[in-house]
Amino acid sequence: GENVEQHPSTLSVQEGDSAVIKCTYSDSASNYFPWYKQELGKGPQLIIDIRSNVGEKKDQRIAVTLNKTAKHFSLHITETQPEDSAVYFCAAISRTNAGKSTFGDGTTLTVKP
Amino acid sequence: GAVVSQHPSRVICKSGTSVKIECRSLDFQATTMFWYRQFPKQSLMLMATSNEGSKATYEQGVEKDKFLINHASLTLSTLTVTSAHPEDSSFYICSASDSGVSSYEQYFGPGTRLTVT
Repeated sequence: GENVEQHPSTLSVQEGDSAVIKCTYSDSASNYFPWYKQELGKGPQLIIDIRSNVGEKKDQRIAVTLNKTAKHFSLHITETQPEDSAVYFCAAISRTNAGKSTFGDGTTLTVKP
Repeated sequence: GAVVSQHPSRVICKSGTSVKIECRSLDFQATTMFWYRQFPKQSLMLMATSNEGSKATYEQGVEKDKFLINHASLTLSTLTVTSAHPEDSSFYICSASDSGVSSYEQYFGPGTRLTVT
């Protein structure tokens, strides 16, 4: 089955700096890669996603890149703000796995003002 | 759009009792709903997948007789924790998808904090 590894587990940056979180996956059949932001005591919120036919996607300060050959994808947050502090999860979904998501272990991002 | 609600947001129950958690898709029809549990500082663990009108598919190690899932309509799925014990205390989260062949977006509910005393 699919295995997703996420790094780093914790990340602390100064406000205004960029943050990068990386994930690798194992199943070459995976073709959808969402990123979620989870604040304490709340459910995950989809912040950006990318499909396997695209190499990069950007939405304001957030971007995701995908390298299918290397089986890794990354989340980039620019001009970080204290409200970006949260736990971020990557996930991979394979067309052969009934739409089930395999999640990374999460990255706790702290943006210091 | 794509709003998923859960009720209740928090519940405290006594050991041995049953608790029902509802998951609703408010503005779309959810052909598939997923139920997860999440322990503190850990990732989401998939418990089961439910498709409207059919029996849920449980992940390995999840007791189907303890965690009863019903997906009777395209907007409602329920998870009932039967004979709850303190070790069932956790954060339960549902997600809903209107996945067609090429769409896999899942929209998560706000979660339900279950505490069994």
